Amino acid sequence: DAEITQSPRHKITETGRQVTLACHQTWNHNNMFWYRQDLGHGLRLIHYSYGVHDTNKGEVSDGYSVSRSNTEDLPLTLESAASSQTSVYFCASSGQGAYGYTFGSGTRLTVV
Amino acid sequence: QKEVEQDPGPLSVPEGAIVSLNCTYSNSAFQYFMWYRQYSRKGPELLMYTYSSGNKEDGRFTAQVDKSSKYISLFIRDSQPSDSATYLCAMSAAGGYQKVTFGIGTKLQVIP
Repeated sequence: DAEITQSPRHKITETGRQVTLACHQTWNHNNMFWYRQDLGHGLRLIHYSYGVHDTNKGEVSDGYSVSRSNTEDLPLTLESAASSQTSVYFCASSGQGAYGYTFGSGTRLTVV
Repeated sequence: QKEVEQDPGPLSVPEGAIVSLNCTYSNSAFQYFMWYRQYSRKGPELLMYTYSSGNKEDGRFTAQVDKSSKYISLFIRDSQPSDSATYLCAMSAAGGYQKVTFGIGTKLQVIP
């Protein structure tokens, strides 16, 4: 069965370290998205991609980067982790014309 | 002011009650309206999808959109304990498979 997987499920890192969160989907979806979810803010868009080599900034992109070298993967990199980036991160994908997203199970990141 | 406003609750109802969940929005360009359900420590899953104004029914769930008032609703009939979750409204100008803006989510508890 097709799926979207995120890894790791939980991570603790130190302030200033570079961190990469993985997102892999086998739906063959063109569109992939990264959101963060925080109490009081809900889901906020970090970066998104509509295809290979296409990336776009969302509303909270500062301190984050993505690259899309193939259809299946959209890794999210925190260049220099900050405590404000402690959050739950969700990856999602969608196919052209689909009604909505398919979400991964999330990565809970703690920056200490 | 946020583009999408949603009361975070929590909302507690007895089993069998009719539940009404609502969102307001400010962006007139939104034409695609969705409701996602999110169980604790899981990714959101698409529940309902509506294009433009009108009603859509799926089993115990009814979604309503009033674009003139910039107001959307989700009704749950004969609520069950298994409906206990956070419900997120979501909206897009270009389709549910493209960039989507989410509400903060309303936490619902259905008490047996």
